[in-house]
Amino acid sequence: QKEVEQNSGPLSVPEGAIASLNCTYSDRGSQSFFWYRQYSGKSPELIMSIYSNGDKEDGRFTAQLNKASQYVSLLIRDSQPSDSATYLCAVFHQAGTALIFGKGTTLSVSS
Amino acid sequence: EPEVTQTPSHQVTQMGQEVILRCVPISNHLYFYWYRQILGQKVEFLVSFYNNEISEKSEIFDDQFSVERPDGSNFTLKIRSTKLEDSAMYFCASEQGSNDEQFFGPGTRLTVL
Repeated sequence: QKEVEQNSGPLSVPEGAIASLNCTYSDRGSQSFFWYRQYSGKSPELIMSIYSNGDKEDGRFTAQLNKASQYVSLLIRDSQPSDSATYLCAVFHQAGTALIFGKGTTLSVSS
Repeated sequence: EPEVTQTPSHQVTQMGQEVILRCVPISNHLYFYWYRQILGQKVEFLVSFYNNEISEKSEIFDDQFSVERPDGSNFTLKIRSTKLEDSAMYFCASEQGSNDEQFFGPGTRLTVL
């Protein structure tokens, strides 16, 4: 059974702080890793993809991947109240196969 | 920017009725997916579709479900005889295939009474 685990939260951070979101996965064959943001009642919105070990930065977001530890994380710098949402970690093998989601971590950024 | 669209946004149906959920994937994408999310639960994979056939399906995707790409733009999910437990948000997603990123539509909220 392929599993993706995330702390459900809520994770509360003050405006301007760094938010750190973590995810572990069970399938060592997973090749592709994604972070989605989901506002309440809306669809998942892709934030970051990462395929290789190490860090990948895009604006205020940094994704980190450690395949040996089967661990993916997302850092959000200078957190804003508009970042308050549920962050979904998702993994899969290759195009055309199932994207497996975690339950998501709810982030709350207070102003 | 190209986006995945879905219709209707909300569908209410009686138990036992057939429903068809419609999606228009991003035009140059080759892989198409349906997912569902029951309220308060995680996003669950239903089925993937490539080259006019199902690539993979989950245990949820039983004989009551079917998918079709009737023309060059639409991608549909049919539920033949809806059950109360089919009530959920249904998301369509598409992927170009070259970079593996899946983009989701806004979803259809299905309510089965």
